[in-house]
Amino acid sequence: AQRVTQPEKLLSVFKGAPVELKCNYSYSGSPELFWYVQYSRQRLQLLLRHISRESIKGFTADLNKGETSFHLKKPFAQEEDSAMYYCALSGDGGSQGNLIFGKGTKLSVKP
Amino acid sequence: GAVVSQHPSWVICKSGTSVKIECRSLDFQATTMFWYRQFPKQSLMLMATSNEGSKATYEQGVEKDKFLINHASLTLSTLTVTSAHPEDSSFYICSARAYRGGETQYFGPGTRLLVL
Repeated sequence: AQRVTQPEKLLSVFKGAPVELKCNYSYSGSPELFWYVQYSRQRLQLLLRHISRESIKGFTADLNKGETSFHLKKPFAQEEDSAMYYCALSGDGGSQGNLIFGKGTKLSVKP
Repeated sequence: GAVVSQHPSWVICKSGTSVKIECRSLDFQATTMFWYRQFPKQSLMLMATSNEGSKATYEQGVEKDKFLINHASLTLSTLTVTSAHPEDSSFYICSARAYRGGETQYFGPGTRLLVL
């Protein structure tokens, strides 16, 4: 069964500390993985996708097929990074036709 | 670019009435839109995929006669909650698929429905 697991509901770090939001997935084929972010009182928006292999707002995420993980990392957290982060999976050959979301992790960056 | 709007942003209705929620892609055409439901402190759950000019595809467990979806144009999809009950109270979010450096879903701001 397709599933996305984000084990942490809440992650609290101090400004300047490294942050890692965990995401594990279950899918039998070759999925495409995404991270979405929702800032306070704003809509959900795409942060990054694994095929792009790019860094957005200092965040990176590497797809580890062996560990079926797609953890989101940032070396130095900023207060403005505080938000809700959702890991998502699409199994339709890369199409976002059917996104499966994890339950989300709330990141709180303290000054 | 790639802005999606929803209307209304919130609605309160009496049990038994029907409520229509609109989802519009403002600056692009979307042949495919998606409807999600989000309960408090929970993740988004896909309800259905709305395809322009054809019937929507509903996820397992979602009543198609309860949640009517119409995608009559390339910029508008509507979700009608028929004969609403208090358990239908939720946050409904739509998204539209666009091609921006790869296929991407752009999300609307959501509609909060409260059924009394």
